[in-house]
Amino acid sequence: AQSVTQPDIHITVSEGASLELRCNYSYGATPYLFWYVQSPGQGLQLLLKYFSGDTLVQGIKGFEAEFKRSQSSFNLRKPSVHWSDAAEYFCAVGVASGTYKYIFGTGTRLKVLA
Amino acid sequence: GAVVSQHPSRVICKSGTSVKIECRSLDFQATTMFWYRQFPKQSLMLMATSNEGSKATYEQGVEKDKFLINHASLTLSTLTVTSAHPEDSSFYICSASPSTYEQYFGPGTRLTVT
Repeated sequence: AQSVTQPDIHITVSEGASLELRCNYSYGATPYLFWYVQSPGQGLQLLLKYFSGDTLVQGIKGFEAEFKRSQSSFNLRKPSVHWSDAAEYFCAVGVASGTYKYIFGTGTRLKVLA
Repeated sequence: GAVVSQHPSRVICKSGTSVKIECRSLDFQATTMFWYRQFPKQSLMLMATSNEGSKATYEQGVEKDKFLINHASLTLSTLTVTSAHPEDSSFYICSASPSTYEQYFGPGTRLTVT
């Protein structure tokens, strides 16, 4: 079955500290992988995506993610967190299904301490 | 660019009535639109996929007679919750897709059924 797991429901980090949000997926074919951020009152914003090629993907706002096929993982990282990064983060996998669809993980809520 | 709007942002309706939510792609054409439901502190659950001019494809467990979806143009899709009940209260999010594995999300609509 196709699924996305985000093991950490909540993460708290201090401003300026590094961040890693975990994402594992289950999908039999080549995955199309995404990280989105959701802030209150705003739609989901795409941080980065992986389709093929270089397994280290750079995104917006200083985020990056690394695709590891052997571990079925697509972890999101940021070297130095800013208070404005506090939000909900969702990992998603795009799967072929009729047209296509996204399967989202349960999300990780990030809290940033000043 | 790539802005998706939803209207209304919040709606309160009485049990037994119907409510319509609009989703518009403002600066691009979307051959496909998606409707999601998000429960508090949970992930986005895909409800249905709609292609312009075609009947929507509903995910398993989603009542197509309760959640009517119309995708009449390349920039507008509507979700009508018919005979709403308190258990239909939720956060509804649409996305618009101009091409495969490319989705832009609306800010969501908070539905409260009293």
